[in-house]
Amino acid sequence: NAGVTQTPKFQVLKTGQSMTLQCAQDMNHEYMSWYRQDPGMGLRLIHYSVGAGITDQGEVPNGYNVSRSTTEDFPLRLLSAAPSQTSVYFCASRTGGDTGELFFGEGSRLTVL
Amino acid sequence: AQSVSQHNHHVILSEAASLELGCNYSYGGTVNLFWYVQYPGQHLQLLLKYFSGDPLVKGIKGFEAEFIKSKFSFNLRKPSVQWSDTAEYFCAVRGGSYIPTFGRGTSLIVHP
Repeated sequence: NAGVTQTPKFQVLKTGQSMTLQCAQDMNHEYMSWYRQDPGMGLRLIHYSVGAGITDQGEVPNGYNVSRSTTEDFPLRLLSAAPSQTSVYFCASRTGGDTGELFFGEGSRLTVL
Repeated sequence: AQSVSQHNHHVILSEAASLELGCNYSYGGTVNLFWYVQYPGQHLQLLLKYFSGDPLVKGIKGFEAEFIKSKFSFNLRKPSVQWSDTAEYFCAVRGGSYIPTFGRGTSLIVHP
């Protein structure tokens, strides 16, 4: 059982470039989310989804785009990368209802030059 | 809106010392509470969770946490830490939203 799979694990971009971080889960979880982790800031929610076709903004959505065409996949798109987006990105999923905890992917470290 | 505060940003202990990490949340209704651990270079893993019932929750690796509703707190404890407990610890709260909010984390270093 793979759980939550993120690709790529590492990426270096130049300012202005675009890219997509991929996230896939094989647990049939309804809810999926993207966080960024920065030193001293903890995890901050970027976007989340409560099911296929449904997405919403989190705490820090600017500069990022998401879509959820299937239950399994939840890609995060950086439209025009900026140095402020240098971070470690985590995808997470959980079951619906009141009692599910988050399962995290292994993270994607992004550096924007 | 839900929020969570972790008071200790950096904690340094010697092996066998006792550990208590503070966590306070802000939300007026029913909450789900979590502690996650992130070992160096790894992703977050669940240590323990509280949904309802007994406010003293036991998790993996000898960790426990106590939910005190009157204090809006969910402190993490371990009687005797080991070098392998060196990690970053995150408290999280889920109130009325679908997705939990995380605290800023506490970095724990345990010296052998």
